[in-house]
Amino acid sequence: QVTLRESGPALVKPTQTLTLTCTFSGFSLSTSGMCVSWIRQPPGKALEWLARIDWDDDKYYSTSLKTRLTISKDTSKNQVVLTMTNMDPVDTATYYCARTLFRELLYLPYYYMDVWGKGTTVTVSS
Amino acid sequence: SYELTQPPSVSVSPGQTARITCSGDALPKKYPYWYQQKSGQAPVLVIYEDSKRPSGIPERFSGSSSGTMATLTISGAQVEDEADYYCYSTDSSGNRGVFGGGTKLTVL
Repeated sequence: QVTLRESGPALVKPTQTLTLTCTFSGFSLSTSGMCVSWIRQPPGKALEWLARIDWDDDKYYSTSLKTRLTISKDTSKNQVVLTMTNMDPVDTATYYCARTLFRELLYLPYYYMDVWGKGTTVTVSS
Repeated sequence: SYELTQPPSVSVSPGQTARITCSGDALPKKYPYWYQQKSGQAPVLVIYEDSKRPSGIPERFSGSSSGTMATLTISGAQVEDEADYYCYSTDSSGNRGVFGGGTKLTVL
C-alpha cells in the first residue's frame, strides 16, 4: 500500500524559508519510473503544480516559481524535501506531495500523480 | 505558458450524465488526466491516459478526447460524485505539470 505524508510548519513569517518533508512508504524512489511531485492549493483556488524529483535525481520546477524552489530526496529515508524561499502571504495554501509515475507512450514522456498525501496547510503571516 | 481551460461549474440531477470539458492546444498530442477532489480532501485520480480508470473507480466515470478538447463523462451521476474536478497534463517539454482551473460539479 502506497502512502505519503506531508510535514512542516503550519505558520511561517513573510520572507522566511519554508521547508516541507514528504515521507512515503510502499515504493522506492530508486526504482526506475518512480517520482515524487509537490502541488499546492490556495484556499478556494485551483491546484498548482510546483516541482518533481525523479528516480534518477532529475529535478523539474514550475517556471514561475523555479527561482524560489529546491527539491531533494533521501532515498534511504524514503523522504522528499521541498524548500521555498522568501515566503509571502500569497503562498498560503495546502501543500500536497504525490507519488508520480513516469510512462513513455508513443515516444512521448508522461508523468502523472497516482497517489496523494492528505496535505499540510501552511499560513504565511506576520 | 501552457494552459488548460475548464468551465467553472456544471450542474446535473442525480441519474443524469455529467460532462466536464477541458481544452488545451497540446491535447491532440498529450494525454489528459482527471482528478476528483471532494471538499476538504486530497485529489483522487479518476481517469488516466485519456480514458483509463484506476482500480476502484466506478465504471460510470469515463474519459475521451477529440482535437483540443478532453471530456470527463459521469454516466448516471450520483450525489456522492459532487466534487471539484481537475484536468491535468504536461507542458510541451513533458516535464512540467499543468492543471486546469477546476470544475465544480453539483449533483442535486
